[in-house]
Amino acid sequence: GQQLNQSPQSMFIQEGEDVSMNCTSSSIFNTWLWYKQDPGEGPVLLIALYKAGELTSNGRLTAQFGITRKDSFLNISASIPSDVGIYFCAGLIQGAQKLVFGQGTRLTINP
Amino acid sequence: GAGVSQSPRYKVTKRGQDVALRCDPISGHVSLYWYRQALGQGPEFLTYFNYEAQQDKSGLPNDRFSAERPEGSISTLTIQRTEQRDSAMYRCASSFEVGGRGETQYFGPGTRLLVL
Repeated sequence: GQQLNQSPQSMFIQEGEDVSMNCTSSSIFNTWLWYKQDPGEGPVLLIALYKAGELTSNGRLTAQFGITRKDSFLNISASIPSDVGIYFCAGLIQGAQKLVFGQGTRLTINP
Repeated sequence: GAGVSQSPRYKVTKRGQDVALRCDPISGHVSLYWYRQALGQGPEFLTYFNYEAQQDKSGLPNDRFSAERPEGSISTLTIQRTEQRDSAMYRCASSFEVGGRGETQYFGPGTRLLVL
């Protein structure tokens, strides 16, 4: 099935470092979403983006909706231990109610 | 509880057996979605319902997979004659609105299915 290309697949960083991950697609999406998944839990929404070029922040998280509507990135500043988890991007197809997800970025933080 | 619940949380079955996975959406949520998540991958859409009506089942892999939501609340995903390749995490999500922009989908903890 259709999936978004998310990179990197995994990251190993030191506490306090900034993190950047991105998502690209060959298709245009009208909504980009970023989720975090903790072990044993379902994905939880972090940020939603609705307009090309939009830059949105949620605390230490910042995400942008690419101008071409085919990409998005997520930045996490000053990482802390609770940021550990798997981050997923997702796109919503116009006129449909289904989400298309990336493969995920697994974030590991060394204290 | 206030969230989406799924049962069982874990299911081990033998190849060829049928399994039924249950999703209990958040009370009052009108839309319900099923996704499948393989290890190391993101969730992949299977099917969804608005109220009791199945709107899109294009993601169901084959005719061994079916889903129902007869009263517009609880949903059951059934896999007949299970195969080893069906092993995955099956996730349910619900939304309080029809035709939302995706951000209103709340995910459950999933059912991990292992077919031996």
